[in-house]
Amino acid sequence: IVMTQAPLSSPVTLGQPASISCRSSQSLEHSDGYTYLSWFHQRPGQPPRLLIYKVSNRFSGVPDRFSGSGAGTDFTLKISRVEAQDVGIYYCMQETQSYSFGQGTKLEIK
Amino acid sequence: EVQLVESGGGLVQPGGSLRLSCAASGFTFSHYEMNWVRQAPGKGLEWVGYISSSGETISYADSVKGRFTISRDNAKNSLFLQMNSLTTDDTAIYYCAREIVRRLGYWGQGTLVTVSS
Repeated sequence: IVMTQAPLSSPVTLGQPASISCRSSQSLEHSDGYTYLSWFHQRPGQPPRLLIYKVSNRFSGVPDRFSGSGAGTDFTLKISRVEAQDVGIYYCMQETQSYSFGQGTKLEIK
Repeated sequence: EVQLVESGGGLVQPGGSLRLSCAASGFTFSHYEMNWVRQAPGKGLEWVGYISSSGETISYADSVKGRFTISRDNAKNSLFLQMNSLTTDDTAIYYCAREIVRRLGYWGQGTLVTVSS
């Protein structure tokens, strides 16, 4: 399954919202009824950190500024109010059929 | 506290081999599935392979199938990645990641593998 993110780069203003899109080449709905789509955040020199799993579930310790939505082949990560520590690269990942990542979206401050 | 510590990276010539390890602590290792994910310098994330909690089920990315072997020793809380026939395209930071129900929630800091002559 090919994962395509947009945009590849997103300059945002502190305190403003941000949105990242992720599209899969086929539906991510598993035969068990769940949709296995996750979002990760990676800062330079650090490993990826899980933010969202199964489309819309926040992982432990993730602030509620982050939210995920979508179904089928179209998914979105939203940050309600961008903070300075949110800069970095965001990746979507599907775990429905094997595993594959999107190419990443770089979030930077204007 | 969950900890995953990768080791074994380094410089290797094309065609060579390397064995990476991932030492787990802070949780019951035998209860969790594990994955290897890599990241070439300045590039995105690439899934390498998966192993079930018992070690009975293993899967690989097409890019490494037939060259890489994932294994684990639950008695020693350790995960391994044996890499053979290495090429320059395998140069990357290699991360181990803990999985439960398709959720890669914890990652190590990674170990750098450089394939160069």
